[in-house]
Amino acid sequence: EDQVTQSPEALRLQEGESSSLNCSYTVSGLRGLFWYRQDPGKGPEFLFTLYSAGEEKEKERLKATLTKKESFLHITAPKPEDSATYLCAVHTSGNTPLVFGKGTRLSVIA
Amino acid sequence: EPEVTQTPSHQVTQMGQEVILRCVPISNHLYFYWYRQILGQKVEFLVSFYNNEISEKSEIFDDQFSVERPDGSNFTLKIRSTKLEDSAMYFCARRQGYEQYFGPGTRLTVT
Repeated sequence: EDQVTQSPEALRLQEGESSSLNCSYTVSGLRGLFWYRQDPGKGPEFLFTLYSAGEEKEKERLKATLTKKESFLHITAPKPEDSATYLCAVHTSGNTPLVFGKGTRLSVIA
Repeated sequence: EPEVTQTPSHQVTQMGQEVILRCVPISNHLYFYWYRQILGQKVEFLVSFYNNEISEKSEIFDDQFSVERPDGSNFTLKIRSTKLEDSAMYFCARRQGYEQYFGPGTRLTVT
């Protein structure tokens, strides 16, 4: 069974304090790993797709990386508006649906 | 601009009642998904819909659930007889390549 585990469950940072969120996965065959941002009461907002080990993607203060077993979402000099839950999901084969982790709830304090 | 819109944004219903949740794609795509998220829990897959047919469904998607595309555009998710445990956010998502883009969701509260 495909599994996605995210850590930590919650993270509290001071504004400007860089950190990383982890997503480890156990799947039969990875077709893609996705990062989403979710604000309270809203739908997941697409951030990145990573397809192969060694790949990196960047967007503003966020950078996502991928290895054969895990992905990291690095947040550089975060701001309060980066506060949200960050979700990791995997797509394994064909038309199978996404399998999500529970997310990391990030709070950035000014 | 949202990828899909969903109505209603919030639905309150009594246990045993039928509810219909709607998803309206912005553009003409073939592949759609319904997911749900119980408060504080993971986003869970319910059903996928490809070219006007169910492609795959999860164990959650039992006989109480159905999906339709009644007018060739809007998608509906129907729950025939709601239970307390159906209270959740329900998301519609469209697929482009391997990527999925989610709607804003419908919050369903069953009392």
